[in-house]
Amino acid sequence: GQQVMQIPQYQHVQEGEDFTTYCNSSTTLSNIQWYKQRPGGHPVFLIQLVKSGEVKKQKRLTFQFGEAKKNSSLHITATQTTDVGPYFCGGATNKLIFGTGTLLAVQP
Amino acid sequence: DTAVSQTPKYLVTQMGNDKSIKCEQNLGHDTMYWYKQDSKKFLKIMFSYNNKELIINETVPNRFSPKSPDKAHLNLHINSLELGDSAVYFCASILGQGNTEAFFGQGTRLTVV
Repeated sequence: GQQVMQIPQYQHVQEGEDFTTYCNSSTTLSNIQWYKQRPGGHPVFLIQLVKSGEVKKQKRLTFQFGEAKKNSSLHITATQTTDVGPYFCGGATNKLIFGTGTLLAVQP
Repeated sequence: DTAVSQTPKYLVTQMGNDKSIKCEQNLGHDTMYWYKQDSKKFLKIMFSYNNKELIINETVPNRFSPKSPDKAHLNLHINSLELGDSAVYFCASILGQGNTEAFFGQGTRLTVV
């Protein structure tokens, strides 16, 4: 069945350092979505990528969708303490399967 | 006006009990999901319903039974609760079957003692 893996599972950075999480699907995706979950909260949609090779930016966040539409990455430049939390990718085919998540900790 | 609402937010119960979690969305979406988030924060799909019909059942014990009385509601009933069922359960709804963003409920933290 469809599987979506994320690495790393956990990342601890100093405030101001960059951070990247990678997402890999076992199947070709129609789109990939990224979510952030604030501590104690629920996942909130960040962005959706649809086209092969697509790159989108949101302020300090850069999202990429691989050429084969099976992998994606989220890069945060100059992390801030407000960036903490699990980040999930969601791979969509005929259903939305979430990756295992990357838990980001940012030390001031 | 909450788009996806789950009740209850917290649920503490003893092993062996039967409990239900309710979910309602007012977005007019076709598809609703149940996800389980364990202590490691992994978000695992459990069930998906599209227009009241079950379309996904991901190797979930048959103690878990979803029910969708209409496309705005997806409830989760759990029989004979076990310690390992302790987790946060999230309901989510999507327009279509995965081509648009998912809206999550606030989650139900289930603790089985």
